Order: sequence, then C-alpha cells, then structure tokens
Amino acid sequence: AQSVTQLDSQVPVFEEAPVELRCNYSSSVSVYLFWYVQYPNQGLQLLLKYLSGSTLVKGINGFEAEFNKSQTSFHLRKPSVHISDTAEYFCAVSDVINTGKLIFGQGTTLQVKP
Amino acid sequence: DGGITQSPKYLFRKEGQNVTLSCEQNLNHDAMYWYRQDPGQGLRLIYYSQIVNDFQKGDIAEGYSVSREKKESFPLTVTSAQKNPTAFYLCASSIGGSRNQPQHFGDGTRLSIL
Repeated sequence: AQSVTQLDSQVPVFEEAPVELRCNYSSSVSVYLFWYVQYPNQGLQLLLKYLSGSTLVKGINGFEAEFNKSQTSFHLRKPSVHISDTAEYFCAVSDVINTGKLIFGQGTTLQVKP
Repeated sequence: DGGITQSPKYLFRKEGQNVTLSCEQNLNHDAMYWYRQDPGQGLRLIYYSQIVNDFQKGDIAEGYSVSREKKESFPLTVTSAQKNPTAFYLCASSIGGSRNQPQHFGDGTRLSIL
C-alpha cells in the first residue's frame, strides 16, 4: 500500500534562515507528488506538484522541491523563510488507482521565529 | 472568482443529532472529496465522488453519509452513529478523478460537540 511519511512534526527556524521539510513515500507504481500549505483555520493551498520531467520543481512563495526516485523522497526547501511562512505543510501522493484520491502525510508545522 | 465554499464555518452538534455540512464549487470540477482533519493525523478521506449521482467510501466512512445530486454540490451528513465527530472537515474538488490532477480546497468547517 502507498504511504507518505513526513519525518518532522515540527520544524522551528529563524527568519531568513533556509529550511527543508522532509517527505518520503512508498509506492509500487510511478508517482505524482504534491506539497500543500495550510494556514490556521483555513483550507489547503497547493504549493507545487511533480508529475514528470525535471526533478526540481518550483512552486509559489519561493518554495521548491526535489523528486528523488532512488531515495523515494520529495523534500521541500526554501532558501530564506519569512514570518509569514509559519503554517502547516502537507506532502501527498496520488493513489495508484486513477480516482484522484490523495494520500497525505501527517503534516509538518513550520514555526518561523523573528 | 471561482472556488469552493464550505458552510457553516463553525457547527455544534448535540447528542443524537445529525448535522449537514455544505460544500459548493463553481470550478466546473467533476470530482469532489470530503476529508476529516484531526491534530497530528493529517487528512483522512471520508467520501469521494467522481461524477454526479455516484460516490464511493473513503477510509473512514462509518457514521457519515453524502449525496451528489448536482455537479456543484457535495453535502456531508455527520450522523449520530459517528461517536467522535469533533474535527475540522475539508471539502475539495479536482478537474477529474485522475491521478495527476491537484485538488482545490475549501476553508473548512469546524464541528464540535455540545
């Protein structure tokens, strides 16, 4: 069965520092991968997606992620974070059956400190 | 602007009561989804629908029911059989039930027990 593991439940970081949020997945078929951001009491907003092609994917708000097939990872990075990046981040993989279902990781809370 | 509207934003349920959460989208999307979010558990799929008048159970459908009579609407009923309904409920939609389509989310409904 497919699964997604976000290795850190919380990541504290100072403003303007770089950050990496880790995501590993397991799948028996080719994958489509997504990162979403959730601000308090709001829904999820798509940050970026990997469907095919270049393994380095750029998203909104200066975030990027790199797909690594051999390590089954899709880590999210930002070179310099802002206070406004404080939120919860979810990694997700498409289900093997073509239904549009997503399998989500448990989320990582990014806490940006001044 | 197109989007997904969930209402109400906050909802309270009494013992033995059924409550219905509304989800409406004007994105002309075929597929719609309901998720439940609990702290530290990510998002879990309750029900999904790929087309009008058809829907399938997700991973935690017990105690919930849905209908899909119109393309734009996918209401979720939390029945009295759901013994632990306190959670944040998110509705999402996508262009089609395909693996490579990202989902768009509403802003959620927070359900609590009185």
